[in-house]
Amino acid sequence: DIQMTQSPSSLSASVGDRVTITCRASQTISSHLNWYQQKPGRAPMLLIYAASSLQSGVPSRFSGSGSGTDFTLTISSLQPEDFATYFCQQSYSTTSFGQGTKLEIK
Amino acid sequence: EVQLVESGGGLVQPGGSLRLSCAASGFTFSSYWMHWVRQAPGKGLLWVSRIHTDGTSTTYADSVKGRFTISRDNAKNTVYLQMNSLRVEDTAVYYCARGGAFGSHDYWGQGTLVTVSS
Repeated sequence: DIQMTQSPSSLSASVGDRVTITCRASQTISSHLNWYQQKPGRAPMLLIYAASSLQSGVPSRFSGSGSGTDFTLTISSLQPEDFATYFCQQSYSTTSFGQGTKLEIK
Repeated sequence: EVQLVESGGGLVQPGGSLRLSCAASGFTFSSYWMHWVRQAPGKGLLWVSRIHTDGTSTTYADSVKGRFTISRDNAKNTVYLQMNSLRVEDTAVYYCARGGAFGSHDYWGQGTLVTVSS
C-alpha cells in the first residue's frame, strides 16, 4: 500500500500570508495526486487534481506542484475562508489519503 | 447541479448491519465510478470502496473486505453500501463521492453518521 505523509500536521498563519503544505508518497505516484479542503462539519472539497490542475470554481490563489513522490499545495495569499484542514490523496494505486494539515489563524 | 444525498446511518450494536444509500442527481450517474469514504470522529479520511460505472467491478479497503458490499442501481441513480459484522472501529461519518479526473473525488455528499456501540 502507498503511504501518504503530509507536513506539517498543523500550521498557524495570518491573512495575506503565503502558505505551503507538503505531501510525500512512499513510492512514486507520477502525477496522481489530488488536494482537498475540509471545513468543520462539512464534506471535503476538491481543490487540485493531477498534482497541478485547478478544479473548476476554485480560486486561483490555490496551486499545486510536484511529481513522483514529492508534492506541494500553495496558497498565495491566505483569505479568512481558507482556514481549514487540507488533505492530499494519491490515486495511482487504488487510493489513500494523507493524515491532514490543519491551517489555523495566528 | 450535482447532488449526492446519503441516508441510512444510525446507531447499531457491534456485529449488526446497516445499509447506506446515496441518491445522485444533476449528472449522468451511469457514466461515473462511485466511491464511499469514511471519517472517524476527529480523524482523517479513509477510502472504503468503489464501484465501476456498470457495477461489474468493485474494490474494497482491507479493513472492510468481506464485511462490506458496494452496489449500484443505475435506474435509480443510487449507490449503496451494505455493512455487515460492524465493529466499534467502523464508527464514522460515511461520505459518498463521485469519481472524477485522475482518480479524484470531485463531488461529495454531506455524509451520514454511523455509530457502532453497545
